[in-house]
Amino acid sequence: EIVMTQSPATLSVSPGERATLSCRASQSVSSNLAWYQQKPGQAPRLLIYGASTRAPGIPARFSGSGSGTEFTLTISSLQSDDFAVYYCQQYNDWPPLTFGGGTKVEIK
Amino acid sequence: QVQLVESGGGLVQPGGSLRLSCAASGFTFSNYAMHWVRQAPGKGLEWVAFMRYDGSIQYTADSVKGRFTISRDNSKKTLNLQMNSLRAEDTAMYYCARGDENSYGMDVWGQGTTVTVSS
Repeated sequence: EIVMTQSPATLSVSPGERATLSCRASQSVSSNLAWYQQKPGQAPRLLIYGASTRAPGIPARFSGSGSGTEFTLTISSLQSDDFAVYYCQQYNDWPPLTFGGGTKVEIK
Repeated sequence: QVQLVESGGGLVQPGGSLRLSCAASGFTFSNYAMHWVRQAPGKGLEWVAFMRYDGSIQYTADSVKGRFTISRDNSKKTLNLQMNSLRAEDTAMYYCARGDENSYGMDVWGQGTTVTVSS
């Protein structure tokens, strides 16, 4: 099973600042990685697939990068609506599909 | 609009059974793979089960293998999860999610249904 590790667990950022979230895979997942956003009391929302392709309707301030075992989600200028928990998920070698433990982006 | 609506959750005693359903609308259900994903209270996301668009392939997580069964009825646009021999650690919000056409991510999610296993 591929283990996904996200860091940091919590990221404190001021509105308008850049946020950089990391996700590491225990073995290569090529570019078969997705990112999700989850707000309290809501279902997750797909942001990024293929490590760097934004899902339809996702603002350009969200960008993904990386391949192999190291990945990054960058939010270029945080808006109030972006404070949430973010998860990465690999789909290179499955079952099982595996998620990281999440990074909570909170207001500084 | 594209929508998934789960139902069937509730309170059940350890060892009991529940059947979750997910009703799809706004898209051609029979063209899409589907997943179940759960989230224990205050915890992260855990993939539970997958079924190919035509029902020919299904996978379940080791944590539920032999106890949970995924199924679908394309004529009724419904995805199901039969959960038997429930344990306290199965307590979670259960989401159904549509498989993304371009990846094995999940591009549409329901609002979830809560399963509580407790005596």
